[in-house]
Formats: sequence, C-alpha cells, structure tokens
Amino acid sequence: DAGVIQSPRHEVTEMGQEVTLRCKPISGHDYLFWYRQTMMRGLELLIYFNNNVPIDDSGMPEDRFSAKMPNASFSTLKIQPSEPRDSAVYFCASSESGTIQYEQYFGPGTRLTVT
Amino acid sequence: QQPVQSPQAVILREGEDAVINCSSSKALYSVHWYRQKHGEAPVFLMILLKGGEQKGHDKISASFNEKKQQSSLYLTASQLSYSGTYFCGVNFGNEKLTFGTGTRLTIIP
Repeated sequence: DAGVIQSPRHEVTEMGQEVTLRCKPISGHDYLFWYRQTMMRGLELLIYFNNNVPIDDSGMPEDRFSAKMPNASFSTLKIQPSEPRDSAVYFCASSESGTIQYEQYFGPGTRLTVT
Repeated sequence: QQPVQSPQAVILREGEDAVINCSSSKALYSVHWYRQKHGEAPVFLMILLKGGEQKGHDKISASFNEKKQQSSLYLTASQLSYSGTYFCGVNFGNEKLTFGTGTRLTIIP
C-alpha cells in the first residue's frame, strides 16, 4: 500500500483565502484523524472519523475550520477564511481500528503558510 | 490532560543510553510511542497496553507503570539514526490519542 496520501504538500496563501487540504487514508482503515502541529502547541488532534462519520470535533479551533469524509478513501479539511495563525503542518493519519490497541499511520503532512 | 515528557531535550554520544519519560495525571489505557525526524511525519514505534508486558525491538524498549500512569522509553547503545523528536501519545479509553510535548534527541558521533 502507498500509505496515507496528503495533498498538497505545501500551501502558501493570503489571509482571507479558502484553503482545502486533502487526505487519502490507507485502504481498509476505519479511522481517520486530522492533526495540526506547531512549535507552540505541539501535535494536537482536530477531528476524527470512524467509518466516514465524524466522532469528535472538539479540537477544531473555530467555525472557520470544517472537515468532511464523503467516502472511505477521501477526506478534506477546509479553512475559510484563513488567518496567519493557521500556519502549521497539518497531518492526516489513519488506523485499522480503535486507537487503544492499533497504531496510527501518518501521512507526510501539508505545510500551510498564511501570509 | 496533555502528558508531560521529560527531559525536553537530550544530547548523547553514539553508543550511550537514554531514557525518556511520559507522565499523565489521568488514568491511561494505552501509551503509544512515535519518533519524528525533522520535516517528516511521526513514525510509530510501539504500543503499551494496560495490563500488557514491556515491549521492545532491536535496542528500543518501553515500559508502562499503570499505578503511576507513567511510561518510559529506553534507547540502548544509541545510533545516529535514533536522532529525532520522540512523542508519547496516551489513550484515556476513547478512540483518540493525546500527544506529549516531545523530547528532542540528538546523537553525535
């Protein structure tokens, strides 16, 4: 398998623009996680899905952030409008089953810069 | 609820040993360890389950003290390839991980 795939790998945008990040999980994995990593806050969970259904979005910073998973092989994280403080590396990860016992496989990440 | 890792950073010479600790104030069901190299994604190392045994592979092993809600990662005879930032991710009985602040490990020849 190709592993978790994310696109784009780098995104530079201006404040106020809409940004869409994409993720393809590993085939057969039931769980998908979106993380944000910054120097100040570390690696923080934004939202996760089980079988395409959002389960916990308590980590989503505010209404400007939204995530969808229309099918088992695709998910998006959208920021509208974007702000400079959204600059970070965004990772998508997937796991075969529940996190208590199963490892998470991380994608290569999308480095977002908002100017 | 974020677990505390110690030390924050450590520098070792090749061949030396290191211990990285991860502590939680809340009861844990499992602890995951990941290593992240600069500019790359975190890579899974191992999971320790509540009631499980100490785990290890090659010269990296870990333990989980359920009573103290602590886990330790042991790196023996460190190699240059061990350099990176190590994160513990803790599970409180739900389906998500809460990651610690990380420990930056630098191995010098």
